Amino acid sequence: DTGVSQNPRHKITKRGQNVTFRCDPISEHNRLYWYRQTLGQGPEFLTYFQNEAQLEKSRLLSDRFSAERPKGSFSTLEIQRTEQGDSAMYLCASSSGEGGEQYFGPGTRLTVT
Amino acid sequence: QKEVEQDPGPLSVPEGAIVSLNCTYSNSAFQYFMWYRQYSRKGPELLMYTYSSGNKEDGRFTAQVDKSSKYISLFIRDSQPSDSATYLCAMSGTGRRALTFGSGTRLQVQP
Repeated sequence: DTGVSQNPRHKITKRGQNVTFRCDPISEHNRLYWYRQTLGQGPEFLTYFQNEAQLEKSRLLSDRFSAERPKGSFSTLEIQRTEQGDSAMYLCASSSGEGGEQYFGPGTRLTVT
Repeated sequence: QKEVEQDPGPLSVPEGAIVSLNCTYSNSAFQYFMWYRQYSRKGPELLMYTYSSGNKEDGRFTAQVDKSSKYISLFIRDSQPSDSATYLCAMSGTGRRALTFGSGTRLQVQP
């Protein structure tokens, strides 16, 4: 399967703990995006990488959130000191080229108790 | 007011019906328009991609973009129960790669 993959698929954590998610994009895609989706809403943009450079961050990405894409391949999204409001589906997408179609992974569902 | 407005539904139709899904938007900079299908607890699946105004057809799906009215549509012909899902419109502008999504319309196709 050459689609976007995300791990883990589900994560349950206690408030205050740190969590890290991983995204592996489609291999030839140089652009990678993170989005967050809550129930009944469309995905909301968090951050964007072109190769290894993080080029854009949403105001939704508070100081507790950090994302990396070392070597321009896979990406990680870390949330420190999780809060109940962080409970959501975290989606990763990849694309190639300006205006290119974005293909999404299956998402990581985070539940903060 | 949201940049992209989409009726949340649910929209219930009988099998074989033609379905019309719509979004309106306010940002005239949007140039790229997409429709995604999302099944419950899954990631969005890209259905249609259109640049600027016009129509695009792919099998049972037709996407229309009217930039003068800031209005986009997705038509599904001969709808099937397997089409039951949430349909999300999404768009972006030149120079900005992030997608802005509507809130999604839930479609139910009754056998």
